[in-house]
Amino acid sequence: GQQLNQSPQSMFIQEGEDVSMNCTSSSIFNTWLWYKQDPGEGPVLLIALYKAGELTSNGRLTAQFGITRKDSFLNISASIPSDVGIYFCAGQQTPFLGRTSEASGSRLTFGEGTQLTVNP
Amino acid sequence: GAVVSQHPSRVICKSGTSVKIECRSLDFQATTMFWYRQFPKKSLMLMATSNEGSKATYEQGVEKDKFLINHASLTLSTLTVTSAHPEDSSFYICSASASGGTNSYEQYFGPGTRLTVT
Repeated sequence: GQQLNQSPQSMFIQEGEDVSMNCTSSSIFNTWLWYKQDPGEGPVLLIALYKAGELTSNGRLTAQFGITRKDSFLNISASIPSDVGIYFCAGQQTPFLGRTSEASGSRLTFGEGTQLTVNP
Repeated sequence: GAVVSQHPSRVICKSGTSVKIECRSLDFQATTMFWYRQFPKKSLMLMATSNEGSKATYEQGVEKDKFLINHASLTLSTLTVTSAHPEDSSFYICSASASGGTNSYEQYFGPGTRLTVT
Protein backbone atom coordinates (compact mmCIF):
# COMPACT_ATOMS: atom_id res chain seq x y z
CA GLY A 1 0.00 0.00 0.00
CA GLN A 2 0.90 3.64 -0.06
CA GLN A 3 3.42 4.86 2.45
CA LEU A 4 4.56 8.26 3.52
CA ASN A 5 8.03 8.66 4.93
CA GLN A 6 8.14 11.54 7.37
CA SER A 7 11.32 12.88 8.88
CA PRO A 8 12.70 13.56 11.30
CA GLN A 9 10.93 11.34 13.82
CA SER A 10 11.66 13.78 16.61
CA MET A 11 13.26 17.16 17.15
CA PHE A 12 14.51 18.93 20.25
CA ILE A 13 15.05 22.64 19.69
CA GLN A 14 15.44 25.87 21.60
CA GLU A 15 12.74 28.48 21.62
CA GLY A 16 13.23 30.90 18.76
CA GLU A 17 14.80 28.39 16.39
CA ASP A 18 13.36 27.50 13.03
CA VAL A 19 12.17 23.98 12.32
CA SER A 20 11.83 22.01 9.12
CA MET A 21 10.23 18.62 8.52
CA ASN A 22 9.31 16.79 5.36
CA CYS A 23 7.40 13.93 3.83
CA THR A 24 8.11 11.85 0.79
CA SER A 25 5.98 9.31 -0.96
CA SER A 26 6.37 6.63 -3.57
CA SER A 27 2.97 7.64 -4.94
CA ILE A 28 1.64 10.88 -6.35
CA PHE A 29 -0.86 12.82 -4.27
CA ASN A 30 -2.86 15.79 -5.51
CA THR A 31 -3.45 17.19 -2.04
CA TRP A 32 -0.98 17.45 0.83
CA LEU A 33 -2.07 18.33 4.34
CA TRP A 34 -0.19 19.11 7.53
CA TYR A 35 -1.76 18.47 10.93
CA LYS A 36 -0.70 19.08 14.52
CA GLN A 37 -1.80 16.79 17.34
CA ASP A 38 -1.59 17.68 21.01
CA PRO A 39 -1.57 14.86 23.61
CA GLY A 40 -4.99 13.31 24.04
CA GLU A 41 -6.51 15.36 21.24
CA GLY A 42 -7.44 14.85 17.62
CA PRO A 43 -5.32 16.28 14.79
CA VAL A 44 -5.89 19.90 13.83
CA LEU A 45 -5.38 21.01 10.25
CA LEU A 46 -2.56 23.54 9.88
CA ILE A 47 -2.09 23.92 6.15
CA ALA A 48 -3.64 22.39 3.05
CA LEU A 49 -1.86 22.34 -0.33
CA TYR A 50 -3.71 21.69 -3.55
CA LYS A 51 -1.30 22.44 -6.40
CA ALA A 52 2.14 21.13 -7.25
CA GLY A 53 4.72 23.79 -6.46
CA GLU A 54 2.32 25.68 -4.20
CA LEU A 55 3.87 27.51 -1.24
CA THR A 56 1.40 28.42 1.49
CA SER A 57 1.85 30.22 4.80
CA ASN A 58 -0.21 30.27 7.96
CA GLY A 59 1.38 32.65 10.44
CA ARG A 60 4.81 31.28 11.33
CA LEU A 61 4.14 28.10 9.35
CA THR A 62 5.06 27.64 5.72
CA ALA A 63 4.47 24.52 3.67
CA GLN A 64 5.24 23.58 0.11
CA PHE A 65 3.77 21.02 -2.24
CA GLY A 66 6.63 19.42 -4.15
CA ILE A 67 6.71 19.82 -7.91
CA THR A 68 6.77 16.05 -8.41
CA ARG A 69 3.67 15.73 -6.20
CA LYS A 70 5.52 13.12 -4.17
CA ASP A 71 6.80 15.31 -1.36
CA SER A 72 6.03 18.22 0.91
CA PHE A 73 7.79 20.15 3.65
CA LEU A 74 6.66 22.18 6.62
CA ASN A 75 8.71 24.99 8.16
CA ILE A 76 8.03 26.63 11.50
CA SER A 77 9.85 29.88 12.11
CA ALA A 78 10.76 31.37 15.47
CA SER A 79 9.42 28.43 17.47
CA ILE A 80 7.62 28.99 20.76
CA PRO A 81 6.83 26.52 23.58
CA SER A 82 3.23 26.02 22.41
CA ASP A 83 4.54 24.58 19.14
CA VAL A 84 5.23 21.38 21.08
CA GLY A 85 3.29 18.43 19.72
CA ILE A 86 3.26 15.83 16.99
CA TYR A 87 3.11 17.02 13.41
CA PHE A 88 1.69 14.74 10.75
CA CYS A 89 1.74 15.05 7.01
CA ALA A 90 -1.05 13.45 5.03
CA GLY A 91 -1.53 12.84 1.35
CA GLN A 92 -4.85 12.63 -0.38
CA GLN A 93 -5.76 11.56 -3.88
CA THR A 94 -8.81 13.61 -4.63
CA PRO A 95 -10.67 13.38 -7.90
CA PHE A 96 -10.78 16.44 -10.10
CA LEU A 97 -12.72 19.35 -8.65
CA GLY A 98 -16.35 19.25 -9.68
CA ARG A 99 -16.85 15.63 -8.77
CA THR A 100 -17.36 16.51 -5.15
CA SER A 101 -19.49 13.51 -4.28
CA GLU A 102 -16.47 11.33 -4.91
CA ALA A 103 -14.06 13.79 -3.39
CA SER A 104 -15.77 13.65 0.00
CA GLY A 105 -14.81 10.01 0.29
CA SER A 106 -11.10 10.47 -0.40
CA ARG A 107 -9.01 8.82 2.23
CA LEU A 108 -5.90 10.25 3.85
CA THR A 109 -2.56 8.50 4.06
CA PHE A 110 -0.64 9.72 7.10
CA GLY A 111 3.05 9.99 7.75
CA GLU A 112 4.50 8.57 10.96
CA GLY A 113 4.70 11.95 12.62
CA THR A 114 7.41 14.29 13.91
CA GLN A 115 7.50 14.84 17.67
CA LEU A 116 8.58 18.41 18.32
CA THR A 117 9.95 19.52 21.69
CA VAL A 118 10.72 23.19 22.26
CA ASN A 119 12.88 24.11 25.21
CA PRO A 120 12.20 27.56 26.63
CA GLY B 1 -17.02 26.18 11.65
CA ALA B 2 -16.38 22.49 10.82
CA VAL B 3 -16.54 21.19 14.36
CA VAL B 4 -16.60 17.48 15.07
CA SER B 5 -17.36 16.09 18.51
CA GLN B 6 -16.88 12.66 20.00
CA HIS B 7 -18.55 11.10 22.99
CA PRO B 8 -17.40 9.86 25.35
CA SER B 9 -13.92 11.34 25.59
CA ARG B 10 -12.81 8.53 27.87
CA VAL B 11 -14.32 5.18 28.69
CA ILE B 12 -13.21 2.28 30.84
CA CYS B 13 -15.01 -1.01 30.38
CA LYS B 14 -14.64 -4.59 31.45
CA SER B 15 -13.46 -7.30 29.13
CA GLY B 16 -16.36 -8.87 27.23
CA THR B 17 -18.61 -5.85 27.25
CA SER B 18 -19.46 -3.62 24.28
CA VAL B 19 -18.75 0.07 24.00
CA LYS B 20 -20.32 2.63 21.68
CA ILE B 21 -18.50 5.77 20.56
CA GLU B 22 -20.37 8.60 18.87
CA CYS B 23 -19.01 11.01 16.28
CA ARG B 24 -21.03 14.10 15.40
CA SER B 25 -20.51 16.89 12.92
CA LEU B 26 -21.92 19.90 14.74
CA ASP B 27 -22.18 22.58 12.11
CA PHE B 28 -22.04 20.81 8.77
CA GLN B 29 -23.41 17.77 7.02
CA ALA B 30 -20.92 14.96 6.62
CA THR B 31 -21.42 12.65 3.68
CA THR B 32 -18.46 10.58 4.76
CA MET B 33 -17.02 9.81 8.15
CA PHE B 34 -13.79 7.99 8.85
CA TRP B 35 -12.75 6.02 11.92
CA TYR B 36 -9.11 5.81 12.95
CA ARG B 37 -7.23 4.02 15.66
CA GLN B 38 -4.03 5.38 17.16
CA PHE B 39 -1.53 3.58 19.39
CA PRO B 40 0.80 5.57 21.67
CA LYS B 41 3.43 7.51 19.75
CA LYS B 42 2.15 6.11 16.47
CA SER B 43 0.35 7.49 13.48
CA LEU B 44 -3.35 7.27 12.75
CA MET B 45 -4.47 4.00 11.24
CA LEU B 46 -7.63 4.10 9.15
CA MET B 47 -10.11 1.45 10.25
CA ALA B 48 -13.10 2.15 8.07
CA THR B 49 -14.84 4.65 5.83
CA SER B 50 -18.52 5.24 6.39
CA ASN B 51 -20.95 6.86 3.99
CA GLU B 52 -24.35 7.98 5.19
CA GLY B 53 -27.02 5.39 4.54
CA SER B 54 -24.70 2.65 3.32
CA LYS B 55 -22.47 -0.01 4.77
CA ALA B 56 -19.03 0.96 5.95
CA THR B 57 -15.93 -0.01 3.99
CA TYR B 58 -13.38 -1.63 6.27
CA GLU B 59 -9.63 -1.62 5.82
CA GLN B 60 -7.81 -4.88 5.42
CA GLY B 61 -7.31 -6.61 8.74
CA VAL B 62 -10.10 -4.77 10.56
CA GLU B 63 -12.86 -7.10 11.74
CA LYS B 64 -16.22 -5.69 10.74
CA ASP B 65 -18.08 -7.87 13.25
CA LYS B 66 -15.84 -6.58 16.01
CA PHE B 67 -16.02 -2.92 15.10
CA LEU B 68 -19.59 -2.13 14.10
CA ILE B 69 -20.09 1.16 12.32
CA ASN B 70 -23.40 2.88 11.75
CA HIS B 71 -23.79 6.13 9.82
CA ALA B 72 -27.49 6.74 10.13
CA SER B 73 -27.57 10.45 9.44
CA LEU B 74 -25.47 13.19 7.87
CA THR B 75 -24.33 14.34 11.30
CA LEU B 76 -23.82 11.13 13.27
CA SER B 77 -21.72 8.01 12.99
CA THR B 78 -21.20 5.45 15.72
CA LEU B 79 -18.46 2.90 16.33
CA THR B 80 -19.32 -0.03 18.58
CA VAL B 81 -16.50 -2.17 19.88
CA THR B 82 -18.15 -5.50 20.58
CA SER B 83 -16.92 -7.97 23.18
CA ALA B 84 -14.02 -5.71 24.01
CA HIS B 85 -10.67 -7.15 25.09
CA PRO B 86 -7.63 -5.43 26.60
CA GLU B 87 -5.92 -5.39 23.20
CA ASP B 88 -8.75 -3.15 21.95
CA SER B 89 -7.56 -0.45 24.33
CA SER B 90 -6.56 2.47 22.17
CA PHE B 91 -7.30 6.04 21.12
CA TYR B 92 -10.13 6.11 18.58
CA ILE B 93 -10.52 9.19 16.41
CA CYS B 94 -13.20 10.01 13.88
CA SER B 95 -13.15 12.53 11.08
CA ALA B 96 -15.89 13.93 8.91
CA SER B 97 -15.87 15.17 5.37
CA ALA B 98 -18.42 17.75 4.26
CA SER B 99 -20.80 17.06 1.43
CA GLY B 100 -20.57 19.38 -1.56
CA GLY B 101 -18.55 22.57 -1.88
CA THR B 102 -15.05 23.28 -3.08
CA ASN B 103 -13.37 21.78 -0.03
CA SER B 104 -15.59 18.75 0.33
CA TYR B 105 -12.49 16.54 0.49
CA GLU B 106 -11.17 18.16 3.67
CA GLN B 107 -11.48 16.00 6.76
CA TYR B 108 -12.20 17.53 10.15
CA PHE B 109 -11.16 15.48 13.13
CA GLY B 110 -12.89 14.86 16.41
CA PRO B 111 -11.04 15.12 19.74
CA GLY B 112 -10.73 11.36 20.12
CA THR B 113 -11.97 8.75 22.59
CA ARG B 114 -9.61 6.94 24.93
CA LEU B 115 -10.83 3.38 25.43
CA THR B 116 -9.39 1.27 28.24
CA VAL B 117 -10.51 -2.32 28.56
CA THR B 118 -9.72 -3.96 31.89
